[in-house]
Amino acid sequence: AQSVTQPDIHITVSEGASLELRCNYSYGATPYLFWYVQSPGQGLQLLLKYFSGDTLVQGIKGFEAEFKRSQSSFNLRKPSVHWSDAAEYFCAVANQAGTALIFGKGTTLSVSS
Amino acid sequence: GAVVSQHPSRVICKSGTSVKIECRSLDFQATTMFWYRQFPKQSLMLMATSNEGSKATYEQGVEKDKFLINHASLTLSTLTVTSAHPEDSSFYICSARDDRFNYGYTFGSGTRLTVV
Repeated sequence: AQSVTQPDIHITVSEGASLELRCNYSYGATPYLFWYVQSPGQGLQLLLKYFSGDTLVQGIKGFEAEFKRSQSSFNLRKPSVHWSDAAEYFCAVANQAGTALIFGKGTTLSVSS
Repeated sequence: GAVVSQHPSRVICKSGTSVKIECRSLDFQATTMFWYRQFPKQSLMLMATSNEGSKATYEQGVEKDKFLINHASLTLSTLTVTSAHPEDSSFYICSARDDRFNYGYTFGSGTRLTVV
């Protein structure tokens, strides 16, 4: 079965610094990969997704992610973090069209001033 | 864009009672919807996949008689927590798959259930 691993439970970044959140997946074929952000007590907002094509994906709020098949990774990056980016970030995978998303355990991002 | 309305956002109920949570796609049809449960500071765990007009498919370990799912129309799925107990207290989130797009998943804003 496919799975998603987010190795970092909690990350603190200074405002204005760059950010990289790690995500590794386990799946034989090409997975369909997503990054979501969740504010406390809220639902999930899609940041970006990868299905095929260009391995560098641009998302909303200045986020991007790069799919690396050789490393089974789909890391999320942002060049300059804002205090409003503090939230919970989830990486997710789907193995077939329309099937449920399987989520990683999430990474809590704190932003220090 | 696609919007999913989930209601109520918060509910407190007494132990032994039932609670119904609605998940509604507002501007698109969703043959398939998903229900997740999230414990504090933890990830989303898939509970079941709901398909319009058919029985839901439950994940292993999820009690189908406790968590009743009905998907009677292309825009509405409901989750009923029956005979609720304090251990059912959690954050429940639904997701609707937009029939127009592959991998077009939209999430509701969640329901905080507290059983006292």
